[in-house]
Amino acid sequence: QKEVEQNSGPLSVPEGAIASLNCTYSDRGSQSFFWYRQYSGKSPELIMFIYSNGDKEDGRFTAQLNKASQYVSLLIRDSQPSDSATYLCAVKRPNAGKSTFGDGTTLTVKP
Amino acid sequence: DAGVIQSPRHEVTEMGQEVTLRCKPISGHNSLFWYRQTMMRGLELLIYFNNNVPIDDSGMPEDRFSAKMPNASFSTLKIQPSEPRDSAVYFCASSLLWQDLGTEAFFGQGTRLTVV
Repeated sequence: QKEVEQNSGPLSVPEGAIASLNCTYSDRGSQSFFWYRQYSGKSPELIMFIYSNGDKEDGRFTAQLNKASQYVSLLIRDSQPSDSATYLCAVKRPNAGKSTFGDGTTLTVKP
Repeated sequence: DAGVIQSPRHEVTEMGQEVTLRCKPISGHNSLFWYRQTMMRGLELLIYFNNNVPIDDSGMPEDRFSAKMPNASFSTLKIQPSEPRDSAVYFCASSLLWQDLGTEAFFGQGTRLTVV
């Protein structure tokens, strides 16, 4: 079992719909959770981070964390074609320098 | 700040040659990471440094790979000798390890390495 699991996709949604990206992790000691977006041929860039159980909203993006279920998700409302990218989930233990990344989910938003 | 700077952006080399990739982290960051990304294996952590000291090099695939961080503003990843299976995009990233919570990693633009 991988430490961080994501559905590889591709996930395809129509423009304007809600895209839901999921991530599960195996290390119960994980405390920091990150979502990165990576456009084709580009480097990953952070779009959301969450530390506490519950929801965190930033514009069209909402991160949801459930530590009991070891589950973190990213919701993208009003999806746009520009959201088409690979989304990487990353988790980190306290005082740990490194994050563990999932393999990413490829999202395609169709006009 | 210019962000994490990597050089070269592209490198094409012949099998057996030495390859050196360079990275300048964001000023003030105390952690530096070298990743490799391929379609088959995704994003793999090769090694990371904290305060210029290598902390975890368990991801370094073989003795052909070595990394150094002589000071807070510079790191190198060297492959000697290079092999075709080393072809990948190599990312350098830096972050600030602060208290109990990890901060995000800022990635450089990557070096696309092709070994022929």
